[in-house]
Amino acid sequence: NAGVTQTPKFQVLKTGQSMTLQCAQDMNHEYMSWYRQDPGMGLRLIHYSVGAGITDQGEVPNGYNVSRSTTEDFPLRLLSAAPSQTSVYFCASSYSSGTGANVLTFGAGSRLTVL
Amino acid sequence: GQNIDQPTEMTATEGAIVQINCTYQTSGFNGLFWYQQHAGEAPTFLSYNVLDGLEEKGRFSSFLSRSKGYSYLLLKELQMKDSASYLCAVADSNYQLIWGAGTKLIIKP
Repeated sequence: NAGVTQTPKFQVLKTGQSMTLQCAQDMNHEYMSWYRQDPGMGLRLIHYSVGAGITDQGEVPNGYNVSRSTTEDFPLRLLSAAPSQTSVYFCASSYSSGTGANVLTFGAGSRLTVL
Repeated sequence: GQNIDQPTEMTATEGAIVQINCTYQTSGFNGLFWYQQHAGEAPTFLSYNVLDGLEEKGRFSSFLSRSKGYSYLLLKELQMKDSASYLCAVADSNYQLIWGAGTKLIIKP
């Protein structure tokens, strides 16, 4: 049982480059999300999805796109990387988004550096 | 605005007890979570409180007072492997999680 799988684990980009962070889960979770974690700050929600074909913006969506064509996959696209997007990115999933203790299962994280 | 406050860093001794506090101001309340995050790793779930009172899970306990907007995580019989950051998160009225910046716990022998 793999849980939540994120790739790549590390990535260095130049300003203006684009890339996709991959996230896949094998737990049949409805809810998937992307967070970024920066020093001294709490996790901040970028985008989330409550099911295949449904996505919505979180707290800090600018510069990022997502899609959810299947239940399992939720890729995060950086359109034109900026140094402000240097961060650690976590994908997380849960059975649903509301009503009760929806415990998030996190991927191992992707450390992105933009030069 | 919505806000979660936790101490930035705490130090404790192996075998001792430590209490990590979390205060919150959010738009609505649908539960409070504690997660543990070891350096360079993903957060992992520790506890969930939605009603006032104490929830105990082995060496870890979590307390909630909704009227005071306050929670704490109590760790007993500290072990070196408990050195980690502890994240407090509150589910708001839309069930979106608001996260604190985390408390880095350092355990000394």
